[in-house]
Amino acid sequence: DADVTQTPRNRITKTGKRIMLECSQTKGHDRMYWYRQDPGLGLRLIYYSFDVKDINKGEISDGYSVSRQAQAKFSLSLESAIPNQTALYFCATSDSGGSSYNEQFFGPGTRLTVL
Amino acid sequence: KNEVEQSPQNLTAQEGEFITINCSYSVGISALHWLQQHPGGGIVSLFMLSSGKKKHGRLIATINIQEKHSSLHITASHPRDSAVYICAVRQGNLIFGKGTKLSVKP
Repeated sequence: DADVTQTPRNRITKTGKRIMLECSQTKGHDRMYWYRQDPGLGLRLIYYSFDVKDINKGEISDGYSVSRQAQAKFSLSLESAIPNQTALYFCATSDSGGSSYNEQFFGPGTRLTVL
Repeated sequence: KNEVEQSPQNLTAQEGEFITINCSYSVGISALHWLQQHPGGGIVSLFMLSSGKKKHGRLIATINIQEKHSSLHITASHPRDSAVYICAVRQGNLIFGKGTKLSVKP
């Protein structure tokens, strides 16, 4: 089983709809991240969380919100989707200690299309 | 100006060739990461380094902190190495380059 999973893997929605992307991990990591990837651009950080009670805005948080329901779960919401939020979204995790300290482990990605 | 620049943007090689992908950055960093994005979209971490050189199989990553430059080398390239290779620098959180798309022809 994959260590970092994302649901759904693909989603087509309409402008104005609320949508939630979910991320779960079995790695036991305390840190979780949401990124978006657009063609021709590097990955950009939307939100990150260093533990259940810690939520931080990233570079491009406008139009997004997140919820860290448990150490293993981190959800990204688009309250009112717009076409320029069409992108590939990645969840990632990292450990604040241990042998893999600061190495990031990525989920498989969610391809979101907003019509 | 982008804080992380990769070159080349696209690279086509013949199987067996030695490949070099470069990454230059303009900010102070605590570490540099090389990632591989498969054609299906999945991303895996290849290396994380803060000095010197690391080797894993046919892949070698080097970093020169003074020159703010890192290279990823692939020896004896193979079509299965075809992917996008992404450089990212750690300055608190990660700052990503735009990636280098590598295609290795048989």
